[in-house]
Amino acid sequence: GEDVEQSLFLSVREGDSSVINCTYTDSSSTYLYWYKQEPGAGLQLLTYIFSNMDMKQDQRLTVLLNKKDKHLSLRIADTQTGDSAIYFCAESEGNAGNMLTFGGGTRLMVKP
Amino acid sequence: DGGITQSPKYLFRKEGQNVTLSCEQNLNHDAMYWYRQDPGQGLRLIYYSQIVNDFQKGDIAEGYSVSREKKESFPLTVTSAQKNPTAFYLCASSTTSYEQFFGPGTRLTVL
Repeated sequence: GEDVEQSLFLSVREGDSSVINCTYTDSSSTYLYWYKQEPGAGLQLLTYIFSNMDMKQDQRLTVLLNKKDKHLSLRIADTQTGDSAIYFCAESEGNAGNMLTFGGGTRLMVKP
Repeated sequence: DGGITQSPKYLFRKEGQNVTLSCEQNLNHDAMYWYRQDPGQGLRLIYYSQIVNDFQKGDIAEGYSVSREKKESFPLTVTSAQKNPTAFYLCASSTTSYEQFFGPGTRLTVL
């Protein structure tokens, strides 16, 4: 079945850029997502990218997709302490409706 | 305001008891989902429903049951057959736009 992998932990200093990486195995992935989860809360969709795109930028967030290597990354510019959270990568296939496969999440810690 | 609500926020259960977690949405979404999240792990799909009166098992359906009698509601029952039910449970809903909206979650603890 599909598999989505992320590193467990990332620590950065306030003001630096953060890069969270994700790899996936399903070559028929159509949509790839980044969700943010703050402690004790649900998931908030940050951004998503279609598989026919290489890059998407939205304010401080930049998503890069390397479809050949099945690698997705999320770059957060000027990281703030409020960005401390768990970030989940997820993928879905367009022809399978809205079924998402999630990675294990990357805990981002931002030090002041 | 439109959104997804889950109740209760915290739930405690004795071993051998069934408990039901509530999920309601007023977003007029057709599809609804239940996920389980264990510490340090991602989300695993328990059940999903793409239309009223129909639902399918996800990856870890054993020990759980659901119903979908109304479009707005998708309750999850954790039965006594679920051997390790302590976890954080998340409900989500979506349309055909491929974005899933999540509720705030229910933390279930078995005493």
